[in-house]
Amino acid sequence: GEDVEQSLFLSVREGDSSVINCTYTDSSSTYLYWYKQEPGAGLQLLTYIFSNMDMKQDQRLTVLLNKKDKHLSLRIADTQTGDSAIYFCAETPSNTGKLIFGQGTTLQVKP
Amino acid sequence: DSGVTQTPKHLITATGQRVTLRCSPRSGDLSVYWYQQSLDQGLQFLIQYYNGEERAKGNILERFSAQQFPDLHSELNLSSLELGDSALYFCASSVGVSGANVLTFGAGSRLTVL
Repeated sequence: GEDVEQSLFLSVREGDSSVINCTYTDSSSTYLYWYKQEPGAGLQLLTYIFSNMDMKQDQRLTVLLNKKDKHLSLRIADTQTGDSAIYFCAETPSNTGKLIFGQGTTLQVKP
Repeated sequence: DSGVTQTPKHLITATGQRVTLRCSPRSGDLSVYWYQQSLDQGLQFLIQYYNGEERAKGNILERFSAQQFPDLHSELNLSSLELGDSALYFCASSVGVSGANVLTFGAGSRLTVL
């Protein structure tokens, strides 16, 4: 089936690391994605990871993939108030190219 | 500006009415996707077109229809509107449908049904 689950809310202090978790169901997903949505805006791609990788690092962002458990996480180092947004993970089931998104995790960063 | 243009940005209408949402994809993108974002349902995939042909269908109601035109712009038609159709409707586009298929999203059309 096509289902992506995320926790709905995470609150951290500025300067701390944030870890947002996601589980997905479709083991055939070739790529997994993280998108960010700021208030009043559309979704923007943050990063993606190929399914045969365990980890990908991009500046303050680290993506970890546990394919066996179908678990994806996004770590944001040195979280800033500007990182406050909704973060969505997404899987790519089948070969159509469509993305199936989780419900999104609202990240609140307190100064 | 993502390059994906959606109109109108806001729309207020009454139950039972019909509306059309329009999307112009990013230049060079052949695939268009429609998503519905509501508070209780999250971001739901509705439908996808690739180069004018329907490629995938999600949880799209029978009251809703869409098409992609030869110039690659797309329209989402919502009819017999109900209060529960109030939501943010996003269009996204991508170059193709395989590989690292990065979707670029528009800013959305906010529909309010009164």
